Order: sequence, then structure tokens, then C-alpha cells
Amino acid sequence: GQNIDQPTEMTATEGAIVQINCTYQTSGFNGLFWYQQHAGEAPTFLSYNVLDGLEEKGRFSSFLSRSKGYSYLLLKELQMKDSASYLCAVRDDYQKVTFGTGTKLQVIP
Amino acid sequence: ETGVTQSPTHLIKTRGQQVTLRCSSQSGHNTVSWYQQALGQGPQFIFQYYREEENGRGNFPPRFSGLQFPNYSSELNVNALELDDSALYLCASSYDRGSNYGYTFGSGTRLTVV
Repeated sequence: GQNIDQPTEMTATEGAIVQINCTYQTSGFNGLFWYQQHAGEAPTFLSYNVLDGLEEKGRFSSFLSRSKGYSYLLLKELQMKDSASYLCAVRDDYQKVTFGTGTKLQVIP
Repeated sequence: ETGVTQSPTHLIKTRGQQVTLRCSSQSGHNTVSWYQQALGQGPQFIFQYYREEENGRGNFPPRFSGLQFPNYSSELNVNALELDDSALYLCASSYDRGSNYGYTFGSGTRLTVV
């Protein structure tokens, strides 16, 4: 089975950098995803990692270490609109995608 | 290109009743996954359909069933509704089972069981 752990809540200041960690234990691994979900809305895809290393996409970067079962999402130059829940999700060898419970990020002025 | 459309948006049902939720996948996507999301929780995998066949199932009882049609739209059926079935039901489509581009989610159906 899959087990995914993320911090429940985080607070950061507008303009700052925040790192949201995710650790996972899986019976097979075929990629890790990050999604953003604003309150009352559907999740939207942010990033995908399947190989070790850093993937950068604008203000957002995602890192993966498969040997450590660890990933993080880095958000730079935080904006108020970045206040949302961030979901870490892992895909197994059977293409099943399991989501963590999400990290609720609050950006304050 | 259209996104993922779900209907209805909101629904109130009585315990013991049956419900059908509908999802139109994004154009060009052949895979549909259904998730249940309780308030403050992450989405829980119900099942996935790929080219009209069930392609994986989560820890949900058999009273949760589904279909995928030739146009890749999908239905989620829940029989004998229980109070704990109250949640947001999300449909997500993808280009393929192993797509690197993630899912496109619909806005969800908010089901309330009373």
C-alpha cells in the first residue's frame, strides 16, 4: 500500500520562500505529483517528478529523492493567491495515484 | 479544448437511496479516475477506468460502481447511501494511465446524505 505524509498547515510571509515536504512509502513507484487546491475548488496540476532531482517551473520547483522516499515543493516570491492546500500524490506500478492529506498554506502580508 | 465537466454540482440524498454522478472527460483523454474527498482531507481513490475497462480500485465497498462509455465519459454509482458517503466526489481525466501531465480535475459533485 501507500503511505504519504505532509505537514498539515504552514504559514509564510508574502514575498518569501516556502518549502513543503512530503515523505512516502510505497509498494511500487511510478512518479510523484504536486497539486494545488484552493478552498472549494478542484485540484490543479503543478508538477511531476519521476527521476531524482529538481524540476523548475517558474516560481514553483519540485524535488525528488527516490532512495529517501522524499519530495518537496518550493514556492518562491510568495503571493497572497498562493494561499491554498498543496497535495502530494504518488503513482504506483499499477498506475494508481494516491494523494496525501494536503498541506494548507497561509500566506500573510 | 474543453475541460472536465461533472454533474450535478450539488446533490442531497436520503440514507439508503442510490445516486449516479456523471463526468465528461477532457477532449483527447481516455482515462478517468474517481476520487472521494472529505472536508479537510486529501482525495481518496475510488477507481479508474481506461478505455471502458476498470483499471484499478481503491478500498471502497462494491456498492460503489462505475462505467466508462465509448466517448470516455464516465458514471459513478453509489447504492445504499450511508451518512459517511457525504463528501465531494471528484472526477479526473488524463491522456493515458501513465501520463506525465497529471490529471485534469472537474469541479466535483458535493453529495450530502441525510
